[in-house]
Amino acid sequence: QQPVQSPQAVILREGEDAVINCSSSKALYSVHWYRQKHGEAPVFLMILLKGGEQKGHEKISASFNEKKQQSSLYLTASQLSYSGTYFCGANNNDMRFGAGTRLTVKP
Amino acid sequence: DVKVTQSSRYLVKRTGEKVFLECVQDMDHENMFWYRQDPGLGLRLIYFSYDVKMKEKGDIPEGYSVSREKKERFSLILESASTNQTSMYLCASSFLARGGELFFGEGSRLTVL
Repeated sequence: QQPVQSPQAVILREGEDAVINCSSSKALYSVHWYRQKHGEAPVFLMILLKGGEQKGHEKISASFNEKKQQSSLYLTASQLSYSGTYFCGANNNDMRFGAGTRLTVKP
Repeated sequence: DVKVTQSSRYLVKRTGEKVFLECVQDMDHENMFWYRQDPGLGLRLIYFSYDVKMKEKGDIPEGYSVSREKKERFSLILESASTNQTSMYLCASSFLARGGELFFGEGSRLTVL
C-alpha cells in the first residue's frame, strides 16, 4: 500500500534540475513531500490537495494529478542544501510513505 | 516551537525482552503515528491513532502493539523483541487526519541482540 517513488537515487551537479515521481494505487485526499537529511528527522516541504494544483517552496515545486493519483516533485537549479532523501506521503486518513529518493547534489 | 519527543535515541535490548518506545507531543494533536525506517524500504507505517484509546493497524503491525492513554503520549510496545526488529523507529503527530502536516520526532534506534 506504500506509494511507489522513482527514481531510487539521483546525482546532480549544482544548478541542474531533477524530477521525482510518486504514484499511488489508491485514491488520495492529498500528497505530501518531505525531505530527510542524514541523521535527522523528515521535514515537511509541501502538501498538494485534490484539484491538480501546483505548489512551490523556494525553487522546489510539485504537482498532483488526481485522476492518475500521481505526483511529481520538481527541483530547479539545485543547490548543495537540496541533498537528502525525499519521501512522498499518500494521505487519506492515514499517511503512507514511499521508499524514498536519495538526491545528491555535487559542486 | 512544536515538539515531538521520543524518550530514547538509542536502545540495545536482548531477544525476548519487552521494549517500550515512548513518544510525547506538545501540540495538542489528535493524530499520532509510529513508523519504522529501514534502508531501501522507506518509512513503513506500524500503527496510528486518531484519538485517545483509539488505534489502527498500519502495514506492518505484527510483533508490535501500541498504547494511547493520554492525548499527548503514544507508546510503541514490542512484546518480545526479535533481531528482525532492529531498526530506526520514528514517531509523528499531526493536527488533521486529512491534509495535516506531520511533525516527526528525532527517532529511536533500536538494536536487538
